[in-house]
Amino acid sequence: DIQMTQSPSTLSASVGDRVTITCRASQSISSWLAWYQQKPGKAPKLLIYKASGLESGVPSRFSGSGSGTEFTLTISSLQPDDFATYYCQQYNGDSWTFGQGTRVEIK
Amino acid sequence: EVQLVESGGGLIQPGGSLRLSCAASGFTLTINYMSWVRQAPGKGLEWVSRIYSGGSTYYADSVKGRFTISRDNSKNMVFLQMNSLRAEDTAVYYCARGGVRGGLDVWGQGAAVTVSS
Repeated sequence: DIQMTQSPSTLSASVGDRVTITCRASQSISSWLAWYQQKPGKAPKLLIYKASGLESGVPSRFSGSGSGTEFTLTISSLQPDDFATYYCQQYNGDSWTFGQGTRVEIK
Repeated sequence: EVQLVESGGGLIQPGGSLRLSCAASGFTLTINYMSWVRQAPGKGLEWVSRIYSGGSTYYADSVKGRFTISRDNSKNMVFLQMNSLRAEDTAVYYCARGGVRGGLDVWGQGAAVTVSS
């Protein structure tokens, strides 16, 4: 199975900060990568599809990039509503996997 | 409104069986693939299974041979039959819709499954 490794596991930031989360795949997944945001007690929400496609309704401060084995999610200016846990997910091949998550907390 | 609603969760003894249901509204199941994702208490997300409109199914190694995903297009519903349940299957199980552009774009509220004696 393809392993997905996110870094960092926890990130402390302030409102207005530029935030970058990295996701690395154990083998090439082309651009078959999605990013999700999850808040406590809630279902995940799709932010980015196919590595860089912005899901409808998601603010433009969110962006995704990368291909092959290395990907990033960037929040250009962190807002109070953005404090949450973020997951990457690869959907290449038969078996899909999520990263372990990155918690973005208030500094 | 596009919506997914899971049901069928609960407390079950190890070795037991449970069937989760996911009712879709606002869209037709035949257009998209559907997936189940679970989250153990305090842990991250784990992909469990998916089913395509043509009937093809895929499973995570952790549930292969024990779980079966199915769909009833006439009822616009997806199911997850879970057999030989183990303590490590304890989780909130989410039903999710495969987005036409990729990723899982619509999620249910989740169904809690607890495997314990």
